[in-house]
This record gives sequence, C-alpha cells and structure tokens, in this order.
Amino acid sequence: ELKVEQNPLFLSMQEGKNYTIYCNYSTTSDRLYWYRQDPGKSLESLFVLLSNGAVKQEGRLMASLDTKARLSTLHITAAVHDLSATYFCAVDPANTGNQFYFGTGTSLTVIP
Amino acid sequence: ETGVTQSPTHLIKTRGQQVTLRCSSQSGHNTVSWYQQALGQGPQFIFQYYREEENGRGNFPPRFSGLQFPNYSSELNVNALELDDSALYLCASSQSPNREQYFGPGTRLTVT
Repeated sequence: ELKVEQNPLFLSMQEGKNYTIYCNYSTTSDRLYWYRQDPGKSLESLFVLLSNGAVKQEGRLMASLDTKARLSTLHITAAVHDLSATYFCAVDPANTGNQFYFGTGTSLTVIP
Repeated sequence: ETGVTQSPTHLIKTRGQQVTLRCSSQSGHNTVSWYQQALGQGPQFIFQYYREEENGRGNFPPRFSGLQFPNYSSELNVNALELDDSALYLCASSQSPNREQYFGPGTRLTVT
C-alpha cells in the first residue's frame, strides 16, 4: 500500500524561528507537490518539484526533493503568524491512474 | 482567467439520499479529478475524468460515480449516502493527466 507520511503532524512554533516539515513516501515518484490549506478552505499550491534535487523557494518557505531517499522537506525560515495553516505534500506516482496521494498533513501554528 | 468553481458550497443530506456535486474546470483544462477530504485528514482520490472518460479511480465504492461534459465541467454523484460520506469534496482541474492540479473551493457535504 502506498503511504505518504508527514512529520510532525502538529507544530507550534514562535515567530522568528526556523523549522522543517518532512514528507516521506513509499513509492517511486519523480514529482511532489506542496499545498497549503487554511481552515475550511481549499488547497493552495505552493511548490511543484519535478526532479531529484529540485529546490524551490518562495518567501519564507523552501522545498526540496530527494527522490532516491523518497523524501521532501518544507523549510520555514523566520516564521510569521500568517504562515499558520495546514501543509500537505502529495506525490504523483507513475502507473497509478494519475492519482495524487496526499500526506497526513502538518498543522502549523505560529505564535506571536 | 476563471479558476475552478464548485457548487453548491454547502449541502446537508439525509442518510440514504442521493447527491450531485458540480465542478467547472479552469479555462484550458481538460482533466478533472475529485477528492474526498474528511475532517482532519488529507484528501483521498475518488476518480479522474479526461476528455469525458474515467481515467483512474481510487478505492471508493460504485455508489460514487461521475460524469464529464464536452465543456470539461464535471459532476460527482453519490448514491445511498452514509454518515461517513460527510466531508469536504474537492474538485481539481489540470491541462492534462499528470499535470499540476488546481483545486476549487470545495463543497462541504453533511449527511445526517
């Protein structure tokens, strides 16, 4: 069974601090996506990582992909309150009928 | 450019009833995927439609069915509703299968 696991599941951090969210997956996939979801809202695309070693940065968020380790990270630099949300990673493996498999989600709370 | 839209926003149904949810894809997109997101969980893939044909299905029973129309809009139908069907239903469109998916605002279904 294909699994996409994120850790931590819950993260409470102070403004100005750095932290990393991890996404491990159990199948071969060259593509990985990161989404943000605010309470009661839909998913907002953050990053699309399309190859091994891909690194993308937007503001205080940076995502990377290691397809050999089947690991992606989402690094938060100098967190601010506006980053409070739930973050999901999703993989798009080959030969699965074009399904996206989502991780368990990481609920981030940034404390002023 | 109009994004992905879904209707209705909220819906309350009784166990055993049937429901139809609607999704309009983003302009230029011919692929629509549907996901079910239970409270506190990541989205689960239901199925995908590409050029009016089902193009992949997740682990959902046959009472979950769908359609895609020539204008690439889509419907999700659920028969014989169960309490566990209560969830946020997300529609996502893409330019083609295996391309980045853009999510709509979702339909919140409550089954009582």
